Amino acid sequence: GIQVEQSPPDLILQEGANSTLRCNFSDSVNNLQWFHQNPWGQLINLFYIPSGTKQNGRLSATTVATERYSLLYISSSQTTDSGVYFCAVYRYSGNTPLVFGKGTRLSVIA
Amino acid sequence: DGGITQSPKYLFRKEGQNVTLSCEQNLNHDAMYWYRQDPGQGLRLIYYSQIVNDFQKGDIAEGYSVSREKKESFPLTVTSAQKNPTAFYLCASMGTGSYEQYFGPGTRLTVT
Repeated sequence: GIQVEQSPPDLILQEGANSTLRCNFSDSVNNLQWFHQNPWGQLINLFYIPSGTKQNGRLSATTVATERYSLLYISSSQTTDSGVYFCAVYRYSGNTPLVFGKGTRLSVIA
Repeated sequence: DGGITQSPKYLFRKEGQNVTLSCEQNLNHDAMYWYRQDPGQGLRLIYYSQIVNDFQKGDIAEGYSVSREKKESFPLTVTSAQKNPTAFYLCASMGTGSYEQYFGPGTRLTVT
């Protein structure tokens, strides 16, 4: 089945720093989502981004589907950005399940 | 408010007992999903349902059962056959024609 690898596994940042998280996937995918899991376990949708670039405030994401990777950029990080960031891809088209990477654990310190 | 609710938030059971986790959504979504998360790991698919009265096994269905009698509800039963049931369980849903899954707040199950 499709494999999803995220890097780095752990990241510690000083507040105000920028970071780039990477997601590689092993096969062609129709769709890709980025999530943030907060310390209480809630998964929050960040981006639905099968290709191209999107921005939402201090966060932006780029997916290059032909090269099978996606990047999540966090600028001017804040302590509230701490948590685990997951990339997930769809196996097929339609209402089908996501395959998750193991995540990047981000700690932003004041 | 529209959304996905899971109850209870925390659940404790003795080994050998079956337990049912609730997942309800009022988003009018057709598809619903159950995932399991272990510490330091990503999410793994247990079961999913794309329509009422139909569901499919995911990657780790052994020891679990589901039903989908109503569009809004997709309960998960963790049976005594599940060898390592202690985990964080997340329910999700997605609407037809959409490609974004939305997640509930999760249930932490501890079996001793």
